[in-house]
Amino acid sequence: NAGVTQTPKFQVLKTGQSMTLQCAQDMNHEYMSWYRQDPGMGLRLIHYSVGAGITDQGEVPNGYNVSRSTTEDFPLRLLSAAPSQTSVYFCASSYEEPYNSPLHFGNGTRLTVT
Amino acid sequence: AQSVTQLGSHVSVSEGALVLLRCNYSSSVPPYLFWYVQYPNQGLQLLLKYTSAATLVKGINGFEAEFKKSETSFHLTKPSAHMSDAAEYFCAVSESSGGYQKVTFGTGTKLQVIP
Repeated sequence: NAGVTQTPKFQVLKTGQSMTLQCAQDMNHEYMSWYRQDPGMGLRLIHYSVGAGITDQGEVPNGYNVSRSTTEDFPLRLLSAAPSQTSVYFCASSYEEPYNSPLHFGNGTRLTVT
Repeated sequence: AQSVTQLGSHVSVSEGALVLLRCNYSSSVPPYLFWYVQYPNQGLQLLLKYTSAATLVKGINGFEAEFKKSETSFHLTKPSAHMSDAAEYFCAVSESSGGYQKVTFGTGTKLQVIP
């Protein structure tokens, strides 16, 4: 029962470095998404995907790229890390329909940019 | 546009006391509403969801929530708090946007349970 798996759990980057946060799910969910969680701000949607080859921007997409080549995987790329991207990142998946399908979350990646 | 407001970023209750966490929403269409719980260093887990079948929804760990359309509220309650209930709780609303599911979260309420 793997569910949603995120790697790495922790990462420290220097400003300007790039990295990819990995997310994989084994539930055959069409919908996958990335959120960032910051104190007092709840969860904010970065990017989402409703199926392989289909992605779209969420509320805070700047500085992040995504792609969806398979149903299982949805990596998040930081092209040039900035201190403002210090946050906890969560990947979540669900069935796209019905719209009352709950999200299944990974355990998060804690990113610090110095 | 949909939105969620959670009143109180921190709530403290004594062990055995009533837990009440407040959530108000706005949505242009009948909403799907959720409560999630987050324990330290973990992702969010579904506590319960409202899907219009019944206004009183029962979830895991003894929690329940009542949907009140007239008040646009979906408050979370538990009759008797347990130490293990200490966590952060998020209210969320889901609706169709441009043909796709869109989920909006509240800013969360941290529940402290005092022994």
